[in-house]
Amino acid sequence: EPEVTQTPSHQVTQMGQEVILRCVPISNHLYFYWYRQILGQKVEFLVSFYNNEISEKSEIFDDQFSVERPDGSNFTLKIRSTKLEDSAMYFCASSEAIFRDRGLYEQYFGPGTRLTVT
Amino acid sequence: QKEVEQNSGPLSVPEGAIASLNCTYSDRGSQSFFWYRQYSGKSPELIMSIYSNGDKEDGRFTAQLNKASQYVSLLIRDSQPSDSATYLCAVILNRDDKIIFGKGTRLHILP
Repeated sequence: EPEVTQTPSHQVTQMGQEVILRCVPISNHLYFYWYRQILGQKVEFLVSFYNNEISEKSEIFDDQFSVERPDGSNFTLKIRSTKLEDSAMYFCASSEAIFRDRGLYEQYFGPGTRLTVT
Repeated sequence: QKEVEQNSGPLSVPEGAIASLNCTYSDRGSQSFFWYRQYSGKSPELIMSIYSNGDKEDGRFTAQLNKASQYVSLLIRDSQPSDSATYLCAVILNRDDKIIFGKGTRLHILP
């Protein structure tokens, strides 16, 4: 069964460093997403991406964050200068979104990258 | 503020019984509704989606949607210890991409 994959599973970085989190969405999916979950808190939307551009982003997704689809399979999230409060699980998701306007789309999540900023 | 509300639990249910999980949402524009299961330290796993008022059944799971009351629920029949997890209610607004998640209800199935 197709699935979303993410690498690395765990990333430790020092405050102020740049990190890139990688995702391979399900191959026939057209919409891609990043979410984060701070330990003990709810899953929060960061950004959605379609047709090589951001379609929506949350208040969390500030200038420190960027996303890119560098090739036909990978989808990346970059954090330019990490802060302690960026420590969280980061989930990539994808959806087929054929019937977007009817809301008939389902998002499938990858296993996540645990980011620890020290 | 668009919110999704769930009782955090824990909800304890004997093995073999029916577990009932509830969720309310604040925005009448919500169009798509999902239940995800999340085991500790793992990612959300989609178990049910529902878009129209009424019931939708899939195996031991039944999702129920009442848009007038802004209420969605999940029933798990013949509960198994492996059903012990946090269940996340999630909604998507009309023409939005993002899922708005509730904080989740911790379900504990008692052997």
